[in-house]
Amino acid sequence: IVLTQSPGTLSLSPGERATLSCRASQNTRYNYVAWYQQKPGQAPRLLIYGASNRATGIPDRFSGSGSGTDFTLTITRLEPEDFAMYYCQQYDKSPPWTFGQGTKVEFK
Amino acid sequence: QVQLVESGGGVVQPGGSLRLSCAASGAASRLTFTSSAFHWVRQAPGMGLEWVAFIRSDGSNKYYADSVKGRFAISKDNSNNRLSLEMYSLRSEDTAMYYCAKDRNFGIFDSWGQGTLVTVSP
Repeated sequence: IVLTQSPGTLSLSPGERATLSCRASQNTRYNYVAWYQQKPGQAPRLLIYGASNRATGIPDRFSGSGSGTDFTLTITRLEPEDFAMYYCQQYDKSPPWTFGQGTKVEFK
Repeated sequence: QVQLVESGGGVVQPGGSLRLSCAASGAASRLTFTSSAFHWVRQAPGMGLEWVAFIRSDGSNKYYADSVKGRFAISKDNSNNRLSLEMYSLRSEDTAMYYCAKDRNFGIFDSWGQGTLVTVSP
């Protein structure tokens, strides 16, 4: 399954809402999509799994939604520490496990 | 929560070999390591994430990305809490940060190491 993320870059200010999209080339069963956050020089961190379940310790300003081929990560009010790269990943038809190319959330 | 620490990266010439390791530590790490499946994921400089290899908790099943099949070998030593990736016939396109990641279930990567850098260069 090929995942396509949009936009490539999102330029926003702290306090604004971020909406990131991930589209799959095939239908995903059971909404087996996860989202990861990666900051420069750091490993990725799991945010969301099963399209909408927050991982342990993830603030509730992060939420995931979607089904089938279209998935969304929403950050309701951007905090300074949220400016980072975000990747979606599918674990439905695997191997191989595949990632989207990423969306960068940057300061406007 | 298990902590993962990779080691073994470095500079190697094209055609060379390298062995990466990933050590697990932390509370209940032995039980967590033994009962968990693991992956290797890599990231070329300035690029996105690419899944490389998977091993089931007991080592009974292993899968590889097409780009590394036949050249890389993943293994798991449950008695020593250690995951390994043997890399042979290295190419310039294998240059990347290599991360080990624990599989929460079905391929959700819920714990990651800090990565070890592999550079393939003459």
